[in-house]
Amino acid sequence: GQQLNQSPQSMFIQEGEDVSMNCTSSSIFNTWLWYKQDPGEGPVLLIALYKAGELTSNGRLTAQFGITRKDSFLNISASIPSDVGIYFCAGQQDNQGGKLIFGQGTELSVKP
Amino acid sequence: DAGVIQSPRHEVTEMGQEVTLRCKPISGHNSLFWYRQTMMRGLELLIYFNNNVPIDDSGMPEDRFSAKMPNASFSTLKIQPSEPRDSAVYFCASTRSGQGGMAFFGQGTRLTVV
Repeated sequence: GQQLNQSPQSMFIQEGEDVSMNCTSSSIFNTWLWYKQDPGEGPVLLIALYKAGELTSNGRLTAQFGITRKDSFLNISASIPSDVGIYFCAGQQDNQGGKLIFGQGTELSVKP
Repeated sequence: DAGVIQSPRHEVTEMGQEVTLRCKPISGHNSLFWYRQTMMRGLELLIYFNNNVPIDDSGMPEDRFSAKMPNASFSTLKIQPSEPRDSAVYFCASTRSGQGGMAFFGQGTRLTVV
């Protein structure tokens, strides 16, 4: 089946550092989304991308939709302790009725 | 607006028992998804509905799992009989057609089968 390969699996960084994670696929996706999940909660949408090459920001978060439509990356600048959590990429293809395929997640730990 | 509401938040049951998980999607949303999350397999799509009709149930593990959506504001995921390997967090999510995949998740039901 369709798979999204997300890397890295985990990151342990110092507060204030920038973070970068990415997602790749062998299939083309027409929508890329990034979610964050806190412990004991459901994933929360951070950023949605709809066009190849699109670069979108949400505060300290910036995400890009790859030109080939097979990848996306998420950057977090000047990390803070509340950035801790698991970040997921998700992709949607045409005619899938909103069906989202998720990556395996990147677990982020931030040391104050 | 209230978000996606799932119940119960936690469920502990004995192997062989029937388990029913419930979901109320966001009002006005017409697509509903059931996901299962485990450490080993991550977030897996089990089934999704569009306008109350099941569209893709290829992710349902086996016949012990069934899902219904009798109306636009309610869905259930049933496991009968339950097994220890069904232990996971089950999420419901909803979206509105044309919102470009922007699904909103409930808080999940943590199921433990002993």
